[in-house]
Amino acid sequence: DIQMTQSPSSLSASVGDRVTITCRANQSIGSYLYWFQQKPGKAPQLLIYAASDLKPGVPPRFSGRGSGTDFTLIISSLQPEDYATYYCQQSYSLPRTFGQGTKLEIK
Amino acid sequence: QVDLVQSGSEVKKPGASLKVSCKASGYTFKGYGISWVRQAPGQGLQWMGWINVYNGNTNYAQKFQGRVTMTTDTSTNTAYMDLRSLTSDDTAVYYCARTTDTGIQGGTFDVWGQGTMVTVSS
Repeated sequence: DIQMTQSPSSLSASVGDRVTITCRANQSIGSYLYWFQQKPGKAPQLLIYAASDLKPGVPPRFSGRGSGTDFTLIISSLQPEDYATYYCQQSYSLPRTFGQGTKLEIK
Repeated sequence: QVDLVQSGSEVKKPGASLKVSCKASGYTFKGYGISWVRQAPGQGLQWMGWINVYNGNTNYAQKFQGRVTMTTDTSTNTAYMDLRSLTSDDTAVYYCARTTDTGIQGGTFDVWGQGTMVTVSS
């Protein structure tokens, strides 16, 4: 199974900050990398697909970069509604696997 | 709009079986797969497997092989997930998710159900 490792596991930031979350795969996964946002008590929601493509309707302050084994999710200017847990997920091979999550908290 | 509506919370005893439903609306049901993903309390996301709604082919994570069955009823646009021989480790929120591609590579979970809380306790 492909192991996905996110860093940091938790992060405190202020409104307006630029935030970067990293996801690393233990083998190359090309661009088969997806990012999800999950708020407490809610289902995850897809933000970014194929490493860098924004799902329609997702604010452009979210962006994704990377290929191979190293990927980043960037929030350019943090908004109050962005406080949530973020997960990366690979679709390179079966079984599909997720990172352990990065909890973004208010500073 | 595209929506997946799941069945309600369940409480089960160890050794029992579970069946969760997921009713789809707002899109062509056979044009996508349905995956099941679970989340134990305070934990991350775990993919359980998927079903190709068009042809009924399934792929289950090894962890659940022999214990899970995923099916669909295309007459009602509903997907089902059966999980047998429950233990306390199966206590989790179970999500269905529309899956854009059920091939080996590609595709993801672009629409999610609201989740079904399952508690396994004696």
